[in-house]
Amino acid sequence: AQKVTQAQTEISVVEKEDVTLDCVYETRDTTYYLFWYKQPPSGELVFLIRRNSFDEQNEISGRYSWNFQKSTSSFNFTITASQVVDSAVYFCALFLRGGSEKLVFGKGTKLTVNP
Amino acid sequence: EPEVTQTPSHQVTQMGQEVILRCVPISNHLYFYWYRQILGQKVEFLVSFYNNEISEKSEIFDDQFSVERPDGSNFTLKIRSTKLEDSAMYFCASSEFGSLNGYTFGSGTRLTVV
Repeated sequence: AQKVTQAQTEISVVEKEDVTLDCVYETRDTTYYLFWYKQPPSGELVFLIRRNSFDEQNEISGRYSWNFQKSTSSFNFTITASQVVDSAVYFCALFLRGGSEKLVFGKGTKLTVNP
Repeated sequence: EPEVTQTPSHQVTQMGQEVILRCVPISNHLYFYWYRQILGQKVEFLVSFYNNEISEKSEIFDDQFSVERPDGSNFTLKIRSTKLEDSAMYFCASSEFGSLNGYTFGSGTRLTVV
């Protein structure tokens, strides 16, 4: 079965703190993709990153960075020097090739950044 | 940048009424999807559609739901007899065949059943 677990339901930090959002996935497939989406209070899903199962290089984009470790089936997301505008729900998702090509989402982590 | 467009952004309907949620996928995409998100919960896959037929549907997608591509541009989700528990945000998405570059979500339709 395919599953994504985001164990942190809610996180609250003070502005400028670093924060890491955890994502653990389960799949028997060898070819898969992992995504992170941001959902601000307005409700839309904002694409942040896609990573394929063959590429374990960490990625940095501005204040955002992602750590992909196949050995622990984790794809964690770190925001450095958090800002109030980072307040949102963040979803990790698993994409399986073949068949319907659907995304399997985790339950999300609600991040609140306080001034 | 190409977008997936959903209308309306918010719809209120009475229990038992039929609703149709509309989506215009990106023009060269071949796979279409509907997802649902009940308030405060995770995003759940409903159905995928390819080559004018359903390719996969979830347990949620029961007989009250149907999808259609009535013309070359629209992709619709119909709920025949709405229930209170159908209240949710419904997201449409589309993708290119064999590629992830274009897996794009619309901004969603918030359906409220009263």
